[in-house]
Amino acid sequence: GNSVTQMEGPVTLSEEAFLTINCTYTATGYPSLFWYVQYPGEGLQLLLKATKADDKGSNKGFEATYRKETTSFHLEKGSVQVSDSAVYFCALSVQYGGSQGNLIFGKGTKLSVKP
Amino acid sequence: GAGVSQSPSNKVTEKGKDVELRCDPISGHTALYWYRQRLGQGLEFLIYFQGNSAPDKSGLPSDRFSAERTGESVSTLTIQRTQQEDSAVYLCASKGGGRYNSPLHFGNGTRLTVT
Repeated sequence: GNSVTQMEGPVTLSEEAFLTINCTYTATGYPSLFWYVQYPGEGLQLLLKATKADDKGSNKGFEATYRKETTSFHLEKGSVQVSDSAVYFCALSVQYGGSQGNLIFGKGTKLSVKP
Repeated sequence: GAGVSQSPSNKVTEKGKDVELRCDPISGHTALYWYRQRLGQGLEFLIYFQGNSAPDKSGLPSDRFSAERTGESVSTLTIQRTQQEDSAVYLCASKGGGRYNSPLHFGNGTRLTVT
């Protein structure tokens, strides 16, 4: 079956620290991979995505590279800010049966950045 | 509208009562998804609509849960004879674009508390 495993939180960092949130997946077929972010009091929103192997998604200083050989899509940022404090969800989408596909999420990782 | 709208934003109900949760997707989005997010947990898929039909309802946890969509627009999720374990945030998302790797647009959710 299809599944997503991401590192457990919470993660607490100081401002300007380097961030890595690990995500690995299991999928049949060729999934697209996503990172969604949920800021306090807000709905989930797409942060970045990659649709094929070796693609790199990037947005707001965050990056993630689709690694087929290690079935991973780790999220990284070189210098975090207090405003990056949020819950981050790794997700995959696999097309099936001609439908638009379901989105399967990891459990989420809460990031807190201290000034 | 500008985004996915869910109502009510908060609902407190007594155990055993029925509740209806509403989702207004982005106009023109043909795919609509319901997820459940329990406290400290990831997103649990419930049901997916393509137009007014539901090709995948595998995530509905019991026959107390049902959902419908009309006019390829509004969707309602109904929970009958609510139980305390139904307490969670119920998230709705819609997707357009016709491609399985298009991003989902989420509403802010309905927080359901069963007392």
